[in-house]
Amino acid sequence: KNEVEQSPQNLTAQEGEFITINCSYSVGISALHWLQQHPGGGIVSLFMLSSGKKKHGRLIATINIQEKHSSLHITASHPRDSAVYICAVRRYGNKLVFGAGTILRVKS
Amino acid sequence: GAGVSQSPSNKVTEKGKDVELRCDPISGHTALYWYRQRLGQGLEFLIYFQGNSAPDKSGLPSDRFSAERTGESVSTLTIQRTQQEDSAVYLCASSLGGAGGVYEQYFGPGTRLTVT
Repeated sequence: KNEVEQSPQNLTAQEGEFITINCSYSVGISALHWLQQHPGGGIVSLFMLSSGKKKHGRLIATINIQEKHSSLHITASHPRDSAVYICAVRRYGNKLVFGAGTILRVKS
Repeated sequence: GAGVSQSPSNKVTEKGKDVELRCDPISGHTALYWYRQRLGQGLEFLIYFQGNSAPDKSGLPSDRFSAERTGESVSTLTIQRTQQEDSAVYLCASSLGGAGGVYEQYFGPGTRLTVT
């Protein structure tokens, strides 16, 4: 079993829909990252969080340390949100362990 | 300011040849990471440098892989006797660092390595 599990693997949404991507992990962590990878490969860090909730624009990330679970929400989704969203956990130390990613396609 | 840069952006090499991939981190970032992403697969941790500490090499897949870092600047990832399974995008990231701290990582654009 992978240490980091994401769901769904693939997600297609209509423009404007509210989107949720989930991440569960099975190890002790010091932080959790949400990353965005666009076609062409560039990776952008969206959030780094170790507790609670963070919001940037239309993106919201939450984490429940006790349940070892995090969610990434996108409100009012747009075709430009189409990308691969990757959950990664930082083990104690600095090694990142990555989920397999969620491929999101938002249709107009 | 300038982000993380990597070179070359693309590299095609013949099986058995050695390759060197370069990463220039963001100035002032003491931590540097190398990752690999094979086609259709997730990211894998390879190696981590933090200041003058011994690097964490726990992700290197074989002894054909090695990496060096000059002080707190440039890093080079070397793959000797390349194999077709080494074909991947190699990503470098850097962050501020320090014992006990958790910092955001900034990724470079990657080097796409193709071994023929």
